[in-house]
Amino acid sequence: DAGVTQSPTHLIKTRGQQVTLRCSPKSGHDTVSWYQQALGQGPQFIFQYYEEEERQRGNFPDRFSGHQFPNYSSELNVNALLLGDSALYLCASSGTGGMTYEQYFGPGTRLTVT
Amino acid sequence: QKEVEQNSGPLSVPEGAIASLNCTYSDRGSQSFFWYRQYSGKSPELIMFIYSNGDKEDGRFTAQLNKASQYVSLLIRDSQPSDSATYLCAVTRMTTDSWGKLQFGAGTQVVVTP
Repeated sequence: DAGVTQSPTHLIKTRGQQVTLRCSPKSGHDTVSWYQQALGQGPQFIFQYYEEEERQRGNFPDRFSGHQFPNYSSELNVNALLLGDSALYLCASSGTGGMTYEQYFGPGTRLTVT
Repeated sequence: QKEVEQNSGPLSVPEGAIASLNCTYSDRGSQSFFWYRQYSGKSPELIMFIYSNGDKEDGRFTAQLNKASQYVSLLIRDSQPSDSATYLCAVTRMTTDSWGKLQFGAGTQVVVTP
């Protein structure tokens, strides 16, 4: 049973560029949440997708956007990258979208903005 | 006041001893509580979850919840060097204004010494 997968593993971008990160949820899960984890901090909630719609959003600017596909996979897009966007980006999946309980994380994408 | 607070550590524990980790939260409406283990450079791994007051045991781990005191703890019995990691406490409420958005503490670093 495949767990949550994310791609790419690492990414280096230049300030002002745009980036797309990808996530495939655990088999049987239909809800995807994205988190940003800065060094030494706990993950911060970005947004959650269910039924191809953004259901909940954290305190992140509109530069952060996402999408969920019919197969439940998801993308996170960040425009106009800032140095402060350098972080580990985590995707978490959970099942029974009406009421999500345990969330399981993928391996993450390490984004470095120079 | 942070929504979820943990001692940052490091918490040094002799091999074979009990590690005790604490977490307090400010949202009295929180309903679900999770402990994640995160090794350096890796993503968080779900190790325990608890929804009701009292104790929940799983192998060497015991989670304790006291909603009246807004306090959740994790005990690790017979600590092993492989338990050396950062432990993240996360809380959420399952309502239509939250949908399981996890609020994380900054984590407690545990170091198990041989």
